[in-house]
Amino acid sequence: GAGVSQSPSNKVTEKGKDVELRCDPISGHTALYWYRQSLGQGLEFLIYFQGNSAPDKSGLPSDRFSAERTGGSVSTLTIQRTQQEDSAVYLCASSFNSDGGGYTFGSGTRLTVV
Amino acid sequence: TQLLEQSPQFLSIQEGENLTVYCNSSSVFSSLQWYRQEPGEGPVLLVTVVTGGEVKKLKRLTFQFGDARKDSSLHITAAQPGDTGLYLCAGRTGAGSYQLTFGKGTKLSVIP
Repeated sequence: GAGVSQSPSNKVTEKGKDVELRCDPISGHTALYWYRQSLGQGLEFLIYFQGNSAPDKSGLPSDRFSAERTGGSVSTLTIQRTQQEDSAVYLCASSFNSDGGGYTFGSGTRLTVV
Repeated sequence: TQLLEQSPQFLSIQEGENLTVYCNSSSVFSSLQWYRQEPGEGPVLLVTVVTGGEVKKLKRLTFQFGDARKDSSLHITAAQPGDTGLYLCAGRTGAGSYQLTFGKGTKLSVIP
């Protein structure tokens, strides 16, 4: 596609429920990143995928968070047993490679846990 | 500990005024980027600087990378309401490093 597509754009869920957030990167971009943006905070790195290499999961805040990338394209971020502190905007970005270029971000998914 | 400190955190100015926002760190960066983010959207890349002392101009925006590659500034001349947004700096700490570390941003409001 022309840009990075994220869905849903907004998600309200009850505490304790599981949620899945989807990211469709730009075609041909081998690198994919997930970040979290909370009110008053900067963008917090969550996870990085590069081609067929093992992902860098070092930013995932707890074992309730997981992500996968199928076929080197679409990625899904899953949050299990959501907590109120998980409320944030989850941003996905992709880049052509990972050697210094800029990211193209999607518009994000605003997650609200009530 | 915040690796990249941005200042000011908030800035409200009248249309036509000039402004400068800053991005500072104690760490050396192999490259540094500036993004602008509007409400409900993801950040959009404005510029990448890689050489100490480098100056890049993008219309009314001037970006400078410090000589020691630890800091950067963004200067806007004759600000317009369309410049309103959250300005984020982001740096890579090593050549070939894929991970960008972001500052918390400067929220700019330009009043008509």
